[in-house]
Amino acid sequence: GQQVMQIPQYQHVQEGEDFTTYCNSSTTLSNIQWYKQRPGGHPVFLIQLVKSGEVKKQKRLTFQFGEAKKNSSLHITATQTTDVGTYFCAGPRYGGSQGNLIFGKGTKLSVKP
Amino acid sequence: GAGVSQTPSNKVTEKGKYVELRCDPISGHTALYWYRQSLGQGPEFLIYFQGTGAADDSGLPNDRFFAVRPEGSVSTLKIQRTERGDSAVYLCASSLSVGYNEQFFGPGTRLTVL
Repeated sequence: GQQVMQIPQYQHVQEGEDFTTYCNSSTTLSNIQWYKQRPGGHPVFLIQLVKSGEVKKQKRLTFQFGEAKKNSSLHITATQTTDVGTYFCAGPRYGGSQGNLIFGKGTKLSVKP
Repeated sequence: GAGVSQTPSNKVTEKGKYVELRCDPISGHTALYWYRQSLGQGPEFLIYFQGTGAADDSGLPNDRFFAVRPEGSVSTLKIQRTERGDSAVYLCASSLSVGYNEQFFGPGTRLTVL
């Protein structure tokens, strides 16, 4: 079946360093979404990408959707302690309805002050 | 305005018992989603509603799981004959409609089956 994989599983950085997480789907996605979940919290929507090759920025966060619409990345410039959490990518399940999202396992980011 | 609320926040039950988990979506959101999240995993889709009807219930693991949304607002996830493997955090989310993909998640219900 369809798989959405994220690497790395864990990332430990010093505050101020950059961070990148990668998301790879076994099938083409119509769109991809990114969520952030703080420790003990619930997922919070960050962004949705729809177009092939799309790049979107939110302050220090840069999101990219691959040309083949099978992979995506999230890059954080100059991490801060407030960036701590797990970052998930998600996309519509292949052959399923738009509301049926498949999530990756996430990348857990810790930031050392 | 208020976000998505879920009750109870924690539920401890014994194997074989029946449980109901409630979700109150953001007012005006027609789409409502249920997920299950185990430790170290991403949310796992269970079911979603568009209005009162279940638009996609393909994620429900078996017939012990059932969900309703009779008036198109509040939803209840029902689990019969609970098993230890059902222990997880059950998350509810809502969105304006299924075409608006930004989903707003509730705080979740942590279910523990002893």
